[in-house]
Amino acid sequence: GAVVSQHPSRVICKSGTSVKIECRSLDFQATTMFWYRQFPKQSLMLMATSNEGSKATYEQGVEKDKFLINHASLTLSTLTVTSAHPEDSSFYICSADRRQGYEQYFGPGTRLTVT
Amino acid sequence: AQSVSQHNHHVILSEAASLELGCNYSYGGTVNLFWYVQYPGQHLQLLLKYFSGDPLVKGIKGFEAEFIKSKFSFNLRKPSVQWSDTAEYFCAVNAQTTDSWGKLQFGAGTQVVVTP
Repeated sequence: GAVVSQHPSRVICKSGTSVKIECRSLDFQATTMFWYRQFPKQSLMLMATSNEGSKATYEQGVEKDKFLINHASLTLSTLTVTSAHPEDSSFYICSADRRQGYEQYFGPGTRLTVT
Repeated sequence: AQSVSQHNHHVILSEAASLELGCNYSYGGTVNLFWYVQYPGQHLQLLLKYFSGDPLVKGIKGFEAEFIKSKFSFNLRKPSVQWSDTAEYFCAVNAQTTDSWGKLQFGAGTQVVVTP
C-alpha cells in the first residue's frame, strides 16, 4: 500500500504557458501533501505544504502566484506552474503524508521542460 | 535555519564491502530523522526513520542507522552491499516545531555505485 502517483510524468511546454501537475494518493487519504523541486544532481527543496481544504503554505523564496497549489480532496493535490519560463524547468516531486508527519510517501516525479 | 549535510557526494565500492554514509544536521531541538533511497528511475523510498527510543535503528534491506545526539549525526550503514544497492541516498530531517511539522529538509544526497 501507500502509493502516490503523479501525472504527467513528463511535460514540455512553451514559455508563457501554464502547466498543471497532479499528485494523487491512491490507497490512503492525505490531509497534507508536500511539493518539492529537484534540480539535476541536487537535493530536493521543499516548495510548499498543501493542506486539504485550506490554503497552501509556501517556503521562503517560492512565489505563490507562480506556483498555484490546490488540495481539493483528501487524495488529490495539484501544482500549476503559471506563465512558465525556462528557469522553471525542473523535476517536481510530491509527497503525501499518511500519518500526521510520521510517514511521507513520494510520487515518481514530473519532469517539466519549458522551451 | 536548519541544514543537513551529507559528507560524500559519490561513493564507489565493490560488492560485499561495507558502507557508511555520513549525515549531520544543524538544529538544536528535537528532530525526526530519515534516510531515503532513490533507485535509478524510481521514486524515493523510505529506508528507515528515527523518532525516539533506541538510537540504533534498523531499516529495510539490511540497512541501519545510528543517531548520536551529541554529534548531531545520523549515519547510515550496511555491512555488506550488493550490486542492487546502487542508488542515491538522501538523509532528511524534520524539526519538531509547530510550523515545521512534517516538513523535510534533505541533504544533498550521496550517489552510491556498487561494482560487481
